[in-house]
Amino acid sequence: GAGVSQSPSNKVTEKGKDVELRCDPISGHTALYWYRQSLGQGLEFLIYFQGNSAPDKSGLPSDRFSAERTGGSVSTLTIQRTQQEDSAVYLCASRSRRETQYFGPGTRLLVL
Amino acid sequence: GQNIDQPTEMTATEGAIVQINCTYQTSGFNGLFWYQQHAGEAPTFLSYNVLDGLEEKGRFSSFLSRSKGYSYLLLKELQMKDSASYLCAVRVRSNDYKLSFGAGTTVTVRA
Repeated sequence: GAGVSQSPSNKVTEKGKDVELRCDPISGHTALYWYRQSLGQGLEFLIYFQGNSAPDKSGLPSDRFSAERTGGSVSTLTIQRTQQEDSAVYLCASRSRRETQYFGPGTRLLVL
Repeated sequence: GQNIDQPTEMTATEGAIVQINCTYQTSGFNGLFWYQQHAGEAPTFLSYNVLDGLEEKGRFSSFLSRSKGYSYLLLKELQMKDSASYLCAVRVRSNDYKLSFGAGTTVTVRA
């Protein structure tokens, strides 16, 4: 079946603008994760949704970052008033009941 | 924070064997994952270890020693397509599935 998809694949924006990144998880997967991957660094956990439970937002770096998941499926990560240090690849992953997380191709964000 | 260390880069010859080490110091342990990531692509799952010992899957094997906080990924009969970044990740808590990742090891396979 279809894997995790993300859009846009690339996004260039100006400092101070807001951006929205979208993730479509694998159908039926109840858990959804957002990670950030900066050049030369490991994946950094941002936020985690599990079913109808309150999301785990412990990894969000500032209050400029927020995410929602509508209807237990599609998720949107929003970054307000973008800064140059927000430039990174933003990866989404989903998981079924088993342990393995399946990643999407990522959105490459460049803030000028 | 969680510390997960792996070498930055490794180079090997086609047909050879390469071992990528990963050491971790985390506040808890509930499993260790290896992912492969080709440049510009999504990480793809390779292996999962939660008990000590060796898990073999074709040309790839993964080993875990919980007492030593140590794992390795062994790539045998290297092929050019194995050139990629290999990510070590630890699931720290049992009540969620968040992963803490190392920075990744870039493996370059030369002819």
